[in-house]
Amino acid sequence: GAVVSQHPSRVICKSGTSVKIECRSLDFQATTMFWYRQFPKQSLMLMATSNEGSKATYEQGVEKDKFLINHASLTLSTLTVTSAHPEDSSFYICSARGRLGTDTQYFGPGTRLTVL
Amino acid sequence: QQQVKQSPQSLIVQKGGIPIINCAYENTAFDYFPWYQQFPGKGPALLIAIRPDVSEKKEGRFTISFNKSAKQFSLHIMDSQPGDSATYFCAASTRGGNTGKLIFGQGTTLQVKP
Repeated sequence: GAVVSQHPSRVICKSGTSVKIECRSLDFQATTMFWYRQFPKQSLMLMATSNEGSKATYEQGVEKDKFLINHASLTLSTLTVTSAHPEDSSFYICSARGRLGTDTQYFGPGTRLTVL
Repeated sequence: QQQVKQSPQSLIVQKGGIPIINCAYENTAFDYFPWYQQFPGKGPALLIAIRPDVSEKKEGRFTISFNKSAKQFSLHIMDSQPGDSATYFCAASTRGGNTGKLIFGQGTTLQVKP
């Protein structure tokens, strides 16, 4: 149980285009989803926290107009990287947490974004 | 105060050895301490987690030791295998107001030699 999927697993786009990444909890309802960014050989950096049906909470230094997050249902959150530039190239990973009061976060397999 | 400091940055052991990875924290409000394993190009996978009301937890070959007074916790991998070669992250979080967001350590790259 507790499987989280991401789509796509890999995407290459041109500078200036927007890219949408989906995160789905397959066998549980995720009241909270988290989006992380990871550069090579570095730790995970939390970008934002999203709760179903409400606006995402962004970490300091993360541009909310650049990284649009939507958590429209208990099983789906999306991250849209708007007007992507080469510096946005990174590994984006989502995680999901079940009902309130549980601590365990289950991570998706990640999405490798390359902006040319 | 929100940081979790992890060491060593990298570790090489022989097959069958017991690598130990250490983490330290400052925020006494942390009450959940998971360890994640990550292979290249994959998302992190939860290995084992502990709460501060116990000093040790074992799951298979993985053991967490927790020292509340020292604000330190560590991961031990018994009878390590080449397949354990990966990057390991410790993390910490609190219940309540901050929605349980995880603060990650810097990561430790483990290589287990055959």
